[in-house]
Amino acid sequence: KQEVTQIPAALSVPEGENLVLNCSFTDSAIYNLQWFRQDPGKGLTSLLLIQSSQREQTSGRLNASLDKSSGRSTLYIAASQPGDSATYLCAANLKTSYDKVIFGPGTSLSVIP
Amino acid sequence: DTEVTQTPKHLVMGMTNKKSLKCEQHMGHRAMYWYKQKAKKPPELMFVYSYEKLSINESVPSRFSPECPNSSLLNLHLHALQPEDSALYLCASSRNGQLNIQYFGAGTRLSVL
Repeated sequence: KQEVTQIPAALSVPEGENLVLNCSFTDSAIYNLQWFRQDPGKGLTSLLLIQSSQREQTSGRLNASLDKSSGRSTLYIAASQPGDSATYLCAANLKTSYDKVIFGPGTSLSVIP
Repeated sequence: DTEVTQTPKHLVMGMTNKKSLKCEQHMGHRAMYWYKQKAKKPPELMFVYSYEKLSINESVPSRFSPECPNSSLLNLHLHALQPEDSALYLCASSRNGQLNIQYFGAGTRLSVL
């Protein structure tokens, strides 16, 4: 069974800290991996999409990396701000489940002013 | 414009009611999706439409009936729902499949009494 896991489940950091969120997937045959942000009761906002041929993507203070061989992706957030507080979900498009994106359970991030 | 619009934002219905959720995008995307999300859980895929044809049905009960009348619109018709169907229903679209970035709507919060 294909699985996507995320650690930690929850994270609380003081403002200004750099932090790393982790995502693991059981199948290294991957088309792409997408990171999303979700505010409480809201829809998902796409942050970054990494194709299988790429190793990382950057957008502002966010950097996402992909290591297919180890089945891992990390989302690095630099200089965290209270507005970054949200749940972060990774979603893997695995070759064994083409056209079905599998979501991880999410990491709930709280940035304390 | 990267907007996916869902209506209504909130819906309360009885178990004998018939209602519909609506999703609209004008980005020229040819793949559209319905997800169901329970509290503190990741989204679960329900249906995928590709070029207005149903390509994936994740064994969803027949009380949920999707419809894609044209490339910009996606509906989810609801009938004889159960209280456990209460959830946030999310619509998403992507350019032409799950190899592309998925853009999500804000969701419809459904309560079944």
